[in-house]
Amino acid sequence: EVQLVESGGGLVQPGRSLRLSCAASGFTFDDYAMHWVRQAPGKGLEWVSGISWNSGSIGYADSVKGRFTISRDNAKNSLYLQMNSLRAEDTALYYCAKDKGGAATHAFDIWGQGTMVTVSS
Amino acid sequence: DIQMTQSPSTLSASVGDRVTITCRASQSISSWLAWYQQKPGKAPKLLIYKASSLESGVPSRFSGSGSGTEFTLTISSLQPDDFATYYCQQYLKWTFGQGTKVEIK
Repeated sequence: EVQLVESGGGLVQPGRSLRLSCAASGFTFDDYAMHWVRQAPGKGLEWVSGISWNSGSIGYADSVKGRFTISRDNAKNSLYLQMNSLRAEDTALYYCAKDKGGAATHAFDIWGQGTMVTVSS
Repeated sequence: DIQMTQSPSTLSASVGDRVTITCRASQSISSWLAWYQQKPGKAPKLLIYKASSLESGVPSRFSGSGSGTEFTLTISSLQPDDFATYYCQQYLKWTFGQGTKVEIK
């Protein structure tokens, strides 16, 4: 079964850091680009970051550029999001999503169930 | 940045209705557009990619059309399972539309 399982969310104070993980199974992880997408409570979807199959191409939304870092470990079938200098507006459910291709230029065909990040003092 | 504008924001319809949702891009995105369905408490589900290609396993009552800046998602005969929120997404830079909630009339 193709599956993405996120972890690492929680309650964190403004200005602190958090690292999200996404464990992939059921497909050849290193063939595909991967992304993080977030959804604030009651709001729409916002793309956060994407990474190509070999980490050679990486992109970030302007709202997180310079604060968040995406990475992947193909040997561990895992995707990560290091989030620094967190702000209240980063509060959201964070989804891991699989790209239909390897170069981060396609639609997202598999999604995890999300991990909740709450930034509050 | 490429902005995606969906209309309407909310749509009230009955089972069996033909439903059309529109998505407009602020600049040409060729056919690099996807449509997703999201139900409350669930992750989004890919319905359509490359503007008109039906994702595997998605019922044929869903269809997509358009290119450039104007796109539509059509549900030919609305089923009870289709009441949800629908998002378009351009994947030149992965911007989503604001969503269209399809409600029971």
